[in-house]
Amino acid sequence: GAGVSQSPSNKVTEKGKDVELRCDPISGHTALYWYRQSLGQGLEFLIYFQGNSAPDKSGLPSDRFSAERTGGSVSTLTIQRTQQEDSAVYLCASSRQGTIYYEQYFGPGTRLTVT
Amino acid sequence: DAKTTQPPSMDCAEGRAANLPCNHSTISGNEYVYWYRQIHSQGPQYIIHGLKNNETNEMASLIITEDRKSSTLILPHATLRDTAVYYCIVRVAGLQTSGSRLTFGEGTQLTVNP
Repeated sequence: GAGVSQSPSNKVTEKGKDVELRCDPISGHTALYWYRQSLGQGLEFLIYFQGNSAPDKSGLPSDRFSAERTGGSVSTLTIQRTQQEDSAVYLCASSRQGTIYYEQYFGPGTRLTVT
Repeated sequence: DAKTTQPPSMDCAEGRAANLPCNHSTISGNEYVYWYRQIHSQGPQYIIHGLKNNETNEMASLIITEDRKSSTLILPHATLRDTAVYYCIVRVAGLQTSGSRLTFGEGTQLTVNP
């Protein structure tokens, strides 16, 4: 079946511009996570959505970052006024529920480069 | 979540078993051991998890010591496609209102050689 998809796969933007990254989770998965991974670094949690509950935004690095999930499915991560330190691979993952008993399935990521 | 320690790198010959160790000496009774891997330029991939019994699936086997302070991931017949960074993580059980975010450490870079 279809896995998690993300678009675009690569995005190059100028410093100060806004970008939107999209994630299509696996159908029926109620939990959705955004992470980012800088070159050679581990995963950094950004935000978590579970069903209709309020999202856990505790990992967002600044108020320039926001995310929404419409209809409990597709999610969009928005970065306003991008900075060079925002350059990273942004990964989306979904799971059947938000507990550890369900593994997370990752998308291929969006590589963001801010010039 | 308990801290884990893994060797930074390992090599394995194609067709041989790859045994990847992980130390988690501070693990508590309700924490599971999880393994993920990340092939270059791809998103992480779930492999296997366990609590205290040994586990096996189509990808790998997980051997957890009786005291649960360490574990070994076994890829029985490694292929070139198994070359990846392997992450061992420990995660607490139970419902979490804040979800089950993953935190990866350095992991082990496994290189399978022809």
